[in-house]
Amino acid sequence: KAGVTQTPRYLIKTRGQQVTLSCSPISGHRSVSWYQQTPGQGLQFLFEYFSETQRNKGNFPGRFSGRQFSNSRSEMNVSTLELGDSALYLCASSGTGDGANVLTFGAGSRLTVL
Amino acid sequence: KNEVEQSPQNLTAQEGEFITINCSYSVGISALHWLQQHPGGGIVSLFMLSSGKKKHGRLIATINIQEKHSSLHITASHPRDSAVYICAVRRLGNQFYFGTGTSLTVIP
Repeated sequence: KAGVTQTPRYLIKTRGQQVTLSCSPISGHRSVSWYQQTPGQGLQFLFEYFSETQRNKGNFPGRFSGRQFSNSRSEMNVSTLELGDSALYLCASSGTGDGANVLTFGAGSRLTVL
Repeated sequence: KNEVEQSPQNLTAQEGEFITINCSYSVGISALHWLQQHPGGGIVSLFMLSSGKKKHGRLIATINIQEKHSSLHITASHPRDSAVYICAVRRLGNQFYFGTGTSLTVIP
């Protein structure tokens, strides 16, 4: 079955702009989580959605937001981009029952802010 | 202080060696994950543990809940094992915290 798909894979934005990233989970997975990875801070948890509801949120400013649709696809949005937002943004999906804690990651969206 | 501490940060081994990567955490957790990241960014989940020990091929992961410690072992290491290994814990409140990773290089 298809894996976790993230789009776009690469993008370049300038300071002050906003960006929307998309994540399509594995079919049947209802949980989608988002992460930011930078060389300085490593991996950091952004937020998690389950059945269209935000279940958990990391310590990021309100410029970072997300949502999940009824088909479990998720988007995250970063407004008023700053240079420090340059990062690899990863999403992961997980299923229910025995698979509830097993994460399958997408390839990531690499954002460069100029 | 980081909630998750990994050691060592960097590790170089000869092919065939037995490798251990350690992870200590300071918060109550519902699960601990070992992740592998190859150059280029893709992350693969190797193990999810809440107790005891799991084995998959040449990889073994153990966790001691009382001591808040986990280890990832690689037996008979191979150059294709070269990657960054990341320990992640899912806190009881469901947030994830990550270690800074262990960069492993296995030399033929």
